[in-house]
Amino acid sequence: DGGITQSPKYLFRKEGQNVTLSCEQNLNHDAMYWYRQDPGQGLRLIYYSQIVNDFQKGDIAEGYSVSREKKESFPLTVTSAQKNPTAFYLCASSIFRGIEAFFGQGTRLTVV
Amino acid sequence: DQQVKQNSPSLSVQEGRISILNCDYTNSMFDYFLWYKKYPAEGPTFLISISSIKDKNEDGRFTVFLNKSAKHLSLHIVPSQPGDSAVYFCAASGSDAGNMLTFGGGTRLMVKP
Repeated sequence: DGGITQSPKYLFRKEGQNVTLSCEQNLNHDAMYWYRQDPGQGLRLIYYSQIVNDFQKGDIAEGYSVSREKKESFPLTVTSAQKNPTAFYLCASSIFRGIEAFFGQGTRLTVV
Repeated sequence: DQQVKQNSPSLSVQEGRISILNCDYTNSMFDYFLWYKKYPAEGPTFLISISSIKDKNEDGRFTVFLNKSAKHLSLHIVPSQPGDSAVYFCAASGSDAGNMLTFGGGTRLMVKP
C-alpha cells in the first residue's frame, strides 16, 4: 500500500541534544513538507522540498534542518538551537505544491 | 498575521443534525481550498476541496461552500455521526504564496449520540 511513514511515533530527547525524525513516502510524490502542531493550534510549516536536493524554509525554520537526498525520504533534525521543541511533528507529501497533501501519522517529540 | 482563520475552536452537535464549520481567509489570491479531518495523535486526512472557480462541491455527506466576495468557506456535514468527532482544519493555497498550504487553527467537532 502506498503511503507516508513517520518514525518513531514517540520520541524523548534531553535538552541540548539533536534528534532526527524520519519521514518516508512511496507515493512517488515530488513535494514533501514538515509541519509542527502545538496544542490548540493549527499546522505551521517548518520546511518544504519540491524536488530532490532542494528545500526551502517555511514559517518557523529556526532551530531545524532537513535534507532531501532521495525522492522518498525527507528527514527533519531538531537541533539544540530550537528553543521549544516539544510538539507534534507531521510530515506530508503531494504530487506538487498546492494540492492535496497526504500526511503521516506524526511524531510526538518531548524534551525532558 | 493569520491568513486563514477558524474562529470557532469547538462545536457540539447532536447526531443526525447538520454540522457547519466555518473558515475565513484574508488573502484574495488564494484560489484552492481544502478541508482536513484529524483525530488525536494522528495525521490529518484530506476530506474535500474546492477551486475558486466553483462555489460548491459535494462528496457524500460533506459539502463545501465558497463565498469569494466574503472570503469565507464552510463545511457542511449532513447527517452528523459520532465518528465525525474530530478536529477539522481548513487550508488554502494560491500562487502568490508559492502554492503552499496555509492552515487555519482548527475546530473541534463533537457529535453527541
